[in-house]
Amino acid sequence: EVQLVESGGGLVKPGGSLRLSCAASGFTFTDAWMSWVRQAPGKGLEWVGRIKSKAGGGTTDYAAPVKGRFTISRDDSKNTLYLQMNSLKTEDTAVYYCTRAAAGLVDYWGQGTLVTVSS
Amino acid sequence: DIVMTQSPDSLGVSLGERATINCKSSQSVLYSSNNNNYLAWYQQKPGQPPKLLIYWASTRESGVPDRFSGSGSGTDFTLTISSLQAEDVAVYYCQQYYSSPFTFGPGTKVDLK
Repeated sequence: EVQLVESGGGLVKPGGSLRLSCAASGFTFTDAWMSWVRQAPGKGLEWVGRIKSKAGGGTTDYAAPVKGRFTISRDDSKNTLYLQMNSLKTEDTAVYYCTRAAAGLVDYWGQGTLVTVSS
Repeated sequence: DIVMTQSPDSLGVSLGERATINCKSSQSVLYSSNNNNYLAWYQQKPGQPPKLLIYWASTRESGVPDRFSGSGSGTDFTLTISSLQAEDVAVYYCQQYYSSPFTFGPGTKVDLK
């Protein structure tokens, strides 16, 4: 059974940093392309970015609102995906979902972790 | 970036009746080399993460009831629930995975009338 379990969310002040983790199991993480999707309270879904598998080049793509502030990385030895978020803004407040996303198509979602950016 | 729009924003449907949701992309998501439309539909129930329903515009994900169907090509797509059940009350999102950033539509809320 595929499982994606996010952690690391919480309350942070504007301008602060936070690192989210996603522990993956039930599939071959090394082969998977992974992404983060967020959802602000009461709003729709917003794609944040993705990282390809090492075999796929290991490259990353980001949405414009987070480019230069957020970094996606992976540790295949730990089956873990990361989202490093710097220079956080109030508009980054959202539930952040870890997803398995082959070429952009999301077939599995985690339960999400809430990030609140507020002074 | 490809902009996704959906209509209506919300709709009320009686049990057993048909629900139709439309999705439009600002540019074609049909990849001519393989004739596939890079368009997916997701269902999100309150307090839950989204769930994949349909991909390649019309292929149902495993385990999805056959009352859900997707159609369309190019820039115009439709999700149809042929006979609405109580458990189908949710918000439905379309998403293009043709090119990064892989944008979502704003969502359509389906309620019981």
